[in-house]
Amino acid sequence: DAGITQSPRHKVTETGTPVTLRCHQTENHRYMYWYRQDPGHGLRLIHYSYGVKDTDKGEVSDGYSVSRSKTEDFLLTLESATSSQTSVYFCAIRGGSNTEAFFGQGTRLTVV
Amino acid sequence: GQQLNQSPQSMFIQEGEDVSMNCTSSSIFNTWLWYKQEPGEGPVLLIALYKAGELTSNGRLTAQFGITRKDSFLNISASIPSDVGIYFCAGQLSQGAQKLVFGQGTRLTINP
Repeated sequence: DAGITQSPRHKVTETGTPVTLRCHQTENHRYMYWYRQDPGHGLRLIHYSYGVKDTDKGEVSDGYSVSRSKTEDFLLTLESATSSQTSVYFCAIRGGSNTEAFFGQGTRLTVV
Repeated sequence: GQQLNQSPQSMFIQEGEDVSMNCTSSSIFNTWLWYKQEPGEGPVLLIALYKAGELTSNGRLTAQFGITRKDSFLNISASIPSDVGIYFCAGQLSQGAQKLVFGQGTRLTINP
Protein backbone atom coordinates (compact mmCIF):
# COMPACT_ATOMS: atom_id res chain seq x y z
CA ASP A 1 0.00 0.00 0.00
CA ALA A 2 1.14 3.52 -0.78
CA GLY A 3 2.24 5.42 2.31
CA ILE A 4 -0.48 8.02 2.41
CA THR A 5 -2.41 9.05 5.51
CA GLN A 6 -5.30 11.46 5.83
CA SER A 7 -6.33 13.09 9.07
CA PRO A 8 -8.78 13.36 10.59
CA ARG A 9 -10.85 10.51 9.14
CA HIS A 10 -14.10 12.04 10.33
CA LYS A 11 -15.00 15.56 11.39
CA VAL A 12 -18.17 17.43 12.24
CA THR A 13 -17.90 21.20 12.32
CA GLU A 14 -20.18 24.21 12.47
CA THR A 15 -20.91 26.58 9.62
CA GLY A 16 -18.50 29.48 9.54
CA THR A 17 -15.63 27.76 11.34
CA PRO A 18 -12.24 27.12 9.73
CA VAL A 19 -11.25 23.53 9.05
CA THR A 20 -7.93 22.04 7.97
CA LEU A 21 -7.48 18.58 6.57
CA ARG A 22 -4.07 16.99 6.35
CA CYS A 23 -2.56 14.61 3.84
CA HIS A 24 0.77 13.02 4.73
CA GLN A 25 2.86 10.83 2.44
CA THR A 26 6.01 8.80 2.98
CA GLU A 27 6.69 8.08 -0.72
CA ASN A 28 8.48 11.36 -1.55
CA HIS A 29 6.13 11.80 -4.50
CA ARG A 30 6.15 15.11 -6.31
CA TYR A 31 2.45 15.51 -7.01
CA MET A 32 -0.35 15.67 -4.45
CA TYR A 33 -4.04 16.23 -5.06
CA TRP A 34 -7.20 17.01 -3.11
CA TYR A 35 -10.52 15.73 -4.45
CA ARG A 36 -14.02 15.83 -3.10
CA GLN A 37 -16.53 13.07 -3.74
CA ASP A 38 -20.26 13.66 -3.80
CA PRO A 39 -23.08 11.42 -5.02
CA GLY A 40 -23.59 11.80 -8.75
CA HIS A 41 -20.40 13.81 -9.25
CA GLY A 42 -17.62 11.29 -8.98
CA LEU A 43 -14.29 12.76 -7.89
CA ARG A 44 -13.77 16.45 -8.51
CA LEU A 45 -10.38 18.11 -8.24
CA ILE A 46 -10.12 20.93 -5.69
CA HIS A 47 -6.42 21.82 -5.74
CA TYR A 48 -3.19 20.09 -6.55
CA SER A 49 0.50 20.57 -5.92
CA TYR A 50 3.45 19.89 -8.23
CA GLY A 51 6.14 20.65 -5.67
CA VAL A 52 6.89 22.41 -2.41
CA LYS A 53 5.09 25.76 -2.42
CA ASP A 54 3.80 25.05 -5.96
CA THR A 55 0.04 24.66 -6.13
CA ASP A 56 -2.73 25.24 -8.62
CA LYS A 57 -6.51 25.26 -8.70
CA GLY A 58 -8.76 22.47 -9.81
CA GLU A 59 -12.33 22.62 -11.05
CA VAL A 60 -14.01 23.26 -7.65
CA SER A 61 -11.51 25.43 -5.80
CA ASP A 62 -13.82 28.21 -4.53
CA GLY A 63 -13.90 28.29 -0.73
CA TYR A 64 -10.73 26.20 -0.38
CA SER A 65 -7.06 26.98 0.02
CA VAL A 66 -4.03 24.70 0.20
CA SER A 67 -0.48 24.79 1.38
CA ARG A 68 2.54 22.61 0.87
CA SER A 69 5.50 23.68 2.94
CA LYS A 70 7.27 20.32 2.68
CA THR A 71 7.16 17.40 0.30
CA GLU A 72 5.32 15.04 2.62
CA ASP A 73 2.42 17.25 3.71
CA PHE A 74 -0.42 18.84 1.73
CA LEU A 75 -3.00 20.76 3.74
CA LEU A 76 -6.51 21.66 2.62
CA THR A 77 -8.20 24.53 4.46
CA LEU A 78 -11.79 25.60 4.43
CA GLU A 79 -11.55 29.18 5.63
CA SER A 80 -15.22 29.39 6.62
CA ALA A 81 -17.01 26.09 6.26
CA THR A 82 -20.43 25.97 4.58
CA SER A 83 -22.99 23.18 4.40
CA SER A 84 -22.22 22.75 0.68
CA GLN A 85 -18.73 21.62 1.68
CA THR A 86 -20.12 18.56 3.44
CA SER A 87 -18.43 15.81 1.49
CA VAL A 88 -15.85 13.06 1.50
CA TYR A 89 -12.38 14.42 0.77
CA PHE A 90 -9.65 12.31 -0.78
CA CYS A 91 -5.98 13.00 -1.09
CA ALA A 92 -3.95 11.39 -3.87
CA ILE A 93 -0.23 11.22 -4.61
CA ARG A 94 1.66 10.66 -7.80
CA GLY A 95 5.35 10.25 -8.58
CA GLY A 96 5.31 12.02 -11.92
CA SER A 97 3.60 12.49 -15.22
CA ASN A 98 2.42 9.27 -16.83
CA THR A 99 2.39 7.42 -13.54
CA GLU A 100 -0.29 5.98 -11.32
CA ALA A 101 -2.05 7.97 -8.60
CA PHE A 102 -2.66 6.43 -5.18
CA PHE A 103 -5.40 7.51 -2.82
CA GLY A 104 -5.76 7.92 0.90
CA GLN A 105 -8.65 6.49 2.89
CA GLY A 106 -10.64 9.71 2.81
CA THR A 107 -11.96 12.23 5.32
CA ARG A 108 -15.68 12.49 5.87
CA LEU A 109 -16.52 16.11 6.70
CA THR A 110 -19.93 17.20 7.88
CA VAL A 111 -20.73 20.90 8.20
CA VAL A 112 -23.80 21.56 10.36
CA GLY B 1 -16.33 20.93 -15.53
CA GLN B 2 -16.27 17.18 -15.99
CA GLN B 3 -14.36 16.22 -19.10
CA LEU B 4 -14.91 12.47 -19.04
CA ASN B 5 -18.19 10.72 -19.80
CA GLN B 6 -18.36 7.32 -18.16
CA SER B 7 -21.06 4.80 -18.99
CA PRO B 8 -23.09 3.08 -17.93
CA GLN B 9 -23.75 4.85 -14.63
CA SER B 10 -24.95 1.61 -13.07
CA MET B 11 -25.12 -2.06 -13.92
CA PHE B 12 -27.13 -4.89 -12.40
CA ILE B 13 -25.88 -8.28 -13.53
CA GLN B 14 -25.92 -11.95 -12.62
CA GLU B 15 -22.88 -13.62 -11.15
CA GLY B 16 -20.79 -15.11 -13.93
CA GLU B 17 -21.69 -12.51 -16.55
CA ASP B 18 -19.14 -10.37 -18.31
CA VAL B 19 -19.11 -6.59 -17.74
CA SER B 20 -18.13 -3.76 -20.05
CA MET B 21 -17.83 -0.07 -19.27
CA ASN B 22 -16.19 2.84 -21.01
CA CYS B 23 -15.08 6.42 -20.77
CA THR B 24 -15.14 8.90 -23.60
CA SER B 25 -14.05 12.48 -24.05
CA SER B 26 -13.74 15.18 -26.67
CA SER B 27 -10.18 15.76 -25.44
CA ILE B 28 -7.06 13.73 -26.07
CA PHE B 29 -5.53 11.93 -23.08
CA ASN B 30 -2.05 10.48 -22.70
CA THR B 31 -2.75 8.36 -19.63
CA TRP B 32 -5.79 6.35 -18.62
CA LEU B 33 -6.25 4.84 -15.17
CA TRP B 34 -9.02 2.57 -13.93
CA TYR B 35 -9.97 2.41 -10.24
CA LYS B 36 -12.36 0.47 -8.05
CA GLN B 37 -13.87 1.90 -4.89
CA GLU B 38 -15.60 -0.03 -2.14
CA PRO B 39 -17.78 1.56 0.56
CA GLY B 40 -15.83 3.63 3.07
CA GLU B 41 -12.55 3.25 1.20
CA GLY B 42 -10.47 5.26 -1.19
CA PRO B 43 -10.22 4.30 -4.87
CA VAL B 44 -7.78 1.48 -5.58
CA LEU B 45 -5.87 1.34 -8.84
CA LEU B 46 -6.77 -1.60 -11.11
CA ILE B 47 -5.04 -0.92 -14.42
CA ALA B 48 -2.87 1.85 -15.90
CA LEU B 49 -2.60 2.55 -19.65
CA TYR B 50 0.00 4.79 -21.27
CA LYS B 51 -0.06 4.17 -25.02
CA ALA B 52 -2.78 4.48 -27.65
CA GLY B 53 -4.03 1.02 -28.58
CA GLU B 54 -2.55 -0.58 -25.46
CA LEU B 55 -4.44 -3.57 -24.10
CA THR B 56 -3.61 -4.59 -20.53
CA SER B 57 -4.98 -7.34 -18.31
CA ASN B 58 -5.06 -7.82 -14.56
CA GLY B 59 -6.60 -11.20 -13.81
CA ARG B 60 -10.20 -11.15 -15.04
CA LEU B 61 -9.94 -7.44 -15.84
CA THR B 62 -8.90 -6.10 -19.23
CA ALA B 63 -8.60 -2.45 -20.21
CA GLN B 64 -7.78 -0.75 -23.47
CA PHE B 65 -6.48 2.69 -24.38
CA GLY B 66 -8.51 3.78 -27.40
CA ILE B 67 -6.64 4.34 -30.63
CA THR B 68 -8.00 7.88 -30.93
CA ARG B 69 -6.73 8.59 -27.37
CA LYS B 70 -10.18 9.93 -26.52
CA ASP B 71 -11.60 6.82 -24.91
CA SER B 72 -10.87 3.77 -22.80
CA PHE B 73 -12.68 0.54 -22.00
CA LEU B 74 -12.74 -1.80 -19.02
CA ASN B 75 -14.03 -5.35 -19.23
CA ILE B 76 -14.55 -7.79 -16.36
CA SER B 77 -14.99 -11.42 -17.28
CA ALA B 78 -16.96 -14.01 -15.30
CA SER B 79 -18.05 -11.60 -12.56
CA ILE B 80 -18.01 -12.70 -8.92
CA PRO B 81 -19.64 -11.12 -5.85
CA SER B 82 -16.45 -9.36 -4.75
CA ASP B 83 -16.47 -7.35 -8.00
CA VAL B 84 -19.24 -5.21 -6.51
CA GLY B 85 -18.25 -1.57 -6.17
CA ILE B 86 -17.89 1.66 -8.08
CA TYR B 87 -15.46 1.75 -10.98
CA PHE B 88 -13.86 5.02 -12.08
CA CYS B 89 -11.85 5.97 -15.08
CA ALA B 90 -9.31 8.76 -14.80
CA GLY B 91 -7.29 10.47 -17.47
CA GLN B 92 -4.37 12.83 -17.78
CA LEU B 93 -4.74 15.38 -20.55
CA SER B 94 -1.98 15.72 -23.06
CA GLN B 95 -1.88 19.47 -22.68
CA GLY B 96 -1.57 21.51 -19.52
CA ALA B 97 -0.52 20.67 -16.00
CA GLN B 98 -0.52 17.35 -14.19
CA LYS B 99 -4.20 17.12 -13.48
CA LEU B 100 -6.13 13.88 -13.38
CA VAL B 101 -9.80 14.12 -14.25
CA PHE B 102 -12.31 11.45 -13.31
CA GLY B 103 -15.41 9.98 -14.81
CA GLN B 104 -18.58 9.89 -12.73
CA GLY B 105 -18.25 6.21 -11.99
CA THR B 106 -20.06 2.97 -12.83
CA ARG B 107 -21.80 1.29 -9.89
CA LEU B 108 -21.73 -2.48 -10.32
CA THR B 109 -24.25 -4.66 -8.50
CA ILE B 110 -24.15 -8.44 -8.81
CA ASN B 111 -27.01 -10.80 -8.10
CA PRO B 112 -25.74 -14.16 -6.87
